[in-house]
Amino acid sequence: AQKITQTQPGMFVQEKEAVTLDCTYDTSDQSYGLFWYKQPSSGEMIFLIYQGSYDEQNATEGRYSLNFQKARKSTNLVISASQLGDSAMYFCAMRDNLMDQGAQKLVFGQGTRLTINP
Amino acid sequence: ETGVTQSPTHLIKTRGQQVTLRCSSQSGHNTVSWYQQALGQGPQFIFQYYREEENGRGNFPPRFSGLQFPNYSSELNVNALELDDSALYLCASSPALRTGELFFGEGSRLTVL
Repeated sequence: AQKITQTQPGMFVQEKEAVTLDCTYDTSDQSYGLFWYKQPSSGEMIFLIYQGSYDEQNATEGRYSLNFQKARKSTNLVISASQLGDSAMYFCAMRDNLMDQGAQKLVFGQGTRLTINP
Repeated sequence: ETGVTQSPTHLIKTRGQQVTLRCSSQSGHNTVSWYQQALGQGPQFIFQYYREEENGRGNFPPRFSGLQFPNYSSELNVNALELDDSALYLCASSPALRTGELFFGEGSRLTVL
């Protein structure tokens, strides 16, 4: 079964600094997908960035980038030039294909609460 | 493009009651999934619906049930509510059965007293 571990319950960063959120995963699949979502206090899960296991380049989306280390089974999210609006919960997730059921689900970690200080 | 919308946003029930939560998927999306997010936890997969059929289920008891309608909107029903059912219930839609990104609504926050 897939498992996601986020070991940082909370992070505090000064505005405009870069921040790295850690995520490790466990899977026996050769092909898999990794996601990061942001959850503000409103509750909505906002998709940030995706990394496929066979992608040769680390994914980047604007201020978001991934430090994907396949051998270590880690996919850390880097947010550059942090802004006050980045304060939120951040979840790492892995796609789990329920082969016997034909469905697909996401397995989430516990999340990291990021607080950006002015 | 209209995103995923859920209703109600907040509700309070007592133990033993039944609740129905509703979700309108994003335009063009035929797959809907439901997740339960307890306080301080990551979301947990409840089930997925594709073309009006349940085609995947997580580790939730049968008192959690659902429906998907021809317009791809969906309902989550929970019978015999328990205190531990208190959580944020998130609906997510996707444009195909097996795809990467899920598009989430803002959730329905259920409190069971």
